[in-house]
Amino acid sequence: EDKVVQSPLSLVVHEGDTVTLNCSYEVTNFRSLLWYKQEKKAPTFLFMLTSSGIEKKSGRLSSILDKKELFSILNITATQTGDSAVYLCARRGNRDDKIIFGKGTRLHILP
Amino acid sequence: NAGVTQTPKFQVLKTGQSMTLQCAQDMNHEYMSWYRQDPGMGLRLIHYSVGAGITDQGEVPNGYNVSRSTTEDFPLRLLSAAPSQTSVYFCASSPVGVQPQHFGDGTRLSIL
Repeated sequence: EDKVVQSPLSLVVHEGDTVTLNCSYEVTNFRSLLWYKQEKKAPTFLFMLTSSGIEKKSGRLSSILDKKELFSILNITATQTGDSAVYLCARRGNRDDKIIFGKGTRLHILP
Repeated sequence: NAGVTQTPKFQVLKTGQSMTLQCAQDMNHEYMSWYRQDPGMGLRLIHYSVGAGITDQGEVPNGYNVSRSTTEDFPLRLLSAAPSQTSVYFCASSPVGVQPQHFGDGTRLSIL
């Protein structure tokens, strides 16, 4: 019921490429969907999504949520080596306020 | 502007020892949580709390205890450390509701 599934688990691309990271969640106990970036230390917040179809953007990063199909995507355009990181997706529950993470996507950008 | 503070940053224990990982936040957040992070496993929720005096189990609670006597502090206790508890532990806090969490810098724990 609480599962959050991210794909792919690992991705290697060249600088300048565009990548799409996927996150699906298996429960209707849903309040918000969160994306984080983790480099060497603690995760840092990227986006919070609560409504379907509304794109959130920050520079070259964008994200959107589909509450009917229970998934979200994170897009990164014109990738740079500084985008190399683990990208984590999390679901916050409506009933219990639990925040459950997926296993993450490890993204490596080659120069 | 401390945010979420975790201590210690590193710790080595022997099997069977007990210890407490400390977590404190100065943002008056009701929600606090503990995660462990192992290679390839993302962040797994150990315990969480939605306010002082209220705690609940997460995905992997066995071997860990928590308490929440104040809004600011949420310590995590290992009662009898096992090698399987070797991990990086993160504490996080947020307001109750939709807001994202703020994370501490983590505690790297090794159990020999």
